[in-house]
This record gives sequence, C-alpha cells and structure tokens, in this order.
Amino acid sequence: DAGVTQSPTHLIKTRGQHVTLRCSPISGHKSVSWYQQVLGQGPQFIFQYYEKEERGRGNFPDRFSARQFPNYSSELNVNALLLGDSALYLCASSYLTDTQYFGPGTRLTVL
Amino acid sequence: AQRVTQPEKLLSVFKGAPVELKCNYSYSGSPELFWYVQYSRQRLQLLLRHISRESIKGFTADLNKGETSFHLKKPFAQEEDSAMYYCALTQNSGNEKLTFGTGTRLTIIP
Repeated sequence: DAGVTQSPTHLIKTRGQHVTLRCSPISGHKSVSWYQQVLGQGPQFIFQYYEKEERGRGNFPDRFSARQFPNYSSELNVNALLLGDSALYLCASSYLTDTQYFGPGTRLTVL
Repeated sequence: AQRVTQPEKLLSVFKGAPVELKCNYSYSGSPELFWYVQYSRQRLQLLLRHISRESIKGFTADLNKGETSFHLKKPFAQEEDSAMYYCALTQNSGNEKLTFGTGTRLTIIP
C-alpha cells in the first residue's frame, strides 16, 4: 500500500479562484481528515469525514467545503481564494478512531 | 478550548546528550496525547501516543495530568533524531480532531 496519497503535489492559483484538492486514504480506512498547515505553524483541523458523513468541522469559513465518496476518497474545495489560504494542505486517514496516517500534502500558493 | 503549547521553536543538542522536548496542554476533559515527527522530506508520522506507553526509537513521554504536560524525552540523542516534532491532543471520545502545537525543530550536533 502506498499510504495516503494526495493530488496535486503543488498548485498555484490567483485570488478569487477556486481550488479542488484530492485525497485517497489507505485501503480499508473509512475516515478522512483535512488539515491546513501555514508556514511556521502546526497543522490546523479543517474537516473530518467518516462513511461519507461530516463528523467534525474546524474554525474555517464557509468558503471551505469537503466531501467523501463511496470509495472513501475525499475532496477539499476552497472558493474565492485569498492570499492567506496559501498553505500546505494535509489529508489523514484512519481506521475507525485509531491512529491517523498523513499524506504528503498539497502545497497551495495563492498569488 | 483545547490548546497545545510547545515553548521551544528550536532546540539544539549534542549527540549523546539527553533530549527533552516540552509540551503543555489545556483541555477540560480527558485528552489523548500524541507526539508526531516529520523528518526531512518525509510526511508527518506518529512517533508515540500516551495510551500505548511504548518507547519508540528510544523516546518516551509521560502524561502528567497535574502539570498538564507531556514532555518527550530520550536519554542519548542520535544524529537521525534531527527533525520537526509536534505535540498533539484529541478528545478521548472518538472525535478524531487533532489539535497540534506549533512544533519544535530539533537539531542534533555531531
């Protein structure tokens, strides 16, 4: 198993645009969580999905949304991008409520 | 609100010397505490969690509820321990939201 995979690796967008980030969990893992990591800070929780339902939401504006598909992969969508959305976006998967395994992240740059 | 504090952004230690990375937390319930590590050009990975009480790569961490601390320790530092270390907590109730500290970059001096 390749572990958690994320695409794309890097992304450059301009202010006001929309972005979609993708995550494939480890086989057998039904829970996916998204985190935002700004330079110099620890990861901050955005969303958790389990069995296609939202289980938790962090303190992020409504411009951020996510969904989970029947195969347990997930998308994170961000609308009306701001400069402050530039960050590393991490996806983590877990089996039930066990250890979270992180992907390599998607580096988003907003110009 | 839950919070994790790592007071040292940078820590340099000579090879063979003891290492202690500090972590303090604030949480009203009964949290579960973790240490995650990120080696150069690698993804974030779990180092240890307090409920397992394991020693991983020679590291240990004891949960002190009185001082609300979960410091990471190793008696003899090795060069391969150089990495970014994050302390994190989650509610001990099946909610998976991890709250991370800001991290400590540990450098082992040869």
